[in-house]
Amino acid sequence: AQRVTQPEKLLSVFKGAPVELKCNYSYSGSPELFWYVQYSRQRLQLLLRHISRESIKGFTADLNKGETSFHLKKPFAQEEDSAMYYCALKEPGTYKYIFGTGTRLKVLA
Amino acid sequence: GAVVSQHPSRVICKSGTSVKIECRSLDFQATTMFWYRQFPKQSLMLMATSNEGSKATYEQGVEKDKFLINHASLTLSTLTVTSAHPEDSSFYICSALQDGLNEKLFFGSGTQLSVL
Repeated sequence: AQRVTQPEKLLSVFKGAPVELKCNYSYSGSPELFWYVQYSRQRLQLLLRHISRESIKGFTADLNKGETSFHLKKPFAQEEDSAMYYCALKEPGTYKYIFGTGTRLKVLA
Repeated sequence: GAVVSQHPSRVICKSGTSVKIECRSLDFQATTMFWYRQFPKQSLMLMATSNEGSKATYEQGVEKDKFLINHASLTLSTLTVTSAHPEDSSFYICSALQDGLNEKLFFGSGTQLSVL
């Protein structure tokens, strides 16, 4: 069955430090992968998707099919990056999204 | 970006009553909407996929008679928690799928349901 694993519930880093939020998935084919972010008192919103190969707010994520991972990275964390981050998988050809359990990122001053 | 409006944001009700939550896509048509349940400090648990003009598809373990979903128009899906009990207390979130080349999922702001 499809599954998304985010091993860290909480990740605390100091401002300016690099950050990596881990995401591993289990899926036999080629899934579509996303990162969603939820800032304090705001709704969940799309941060980035792997097919776009984009960098949003300094964040990037590379799909590693060999390791079945889609880790989210940023070289220099900012305080405003503090939020809840969810990794999500979508099976191509379907509308079903599966979310990981989320990682709370705290960027300390 | 597109907006999904979810209402009410918070509701408190007595055990045994029914509660309706609305999810509207304000500036796009959504043939597909989703309903999630989120427990404190846990992930979103997909409850059902709401399809405009047809029956919702429920995830395993979700009682369809308990959680009634109606998607009568391209911009509105409703979730009715029937005969609510304290264990139904939770945070419910909807999302709407914007079709297209860059298919995108937009989320409502959630509804905190407290059943006394």
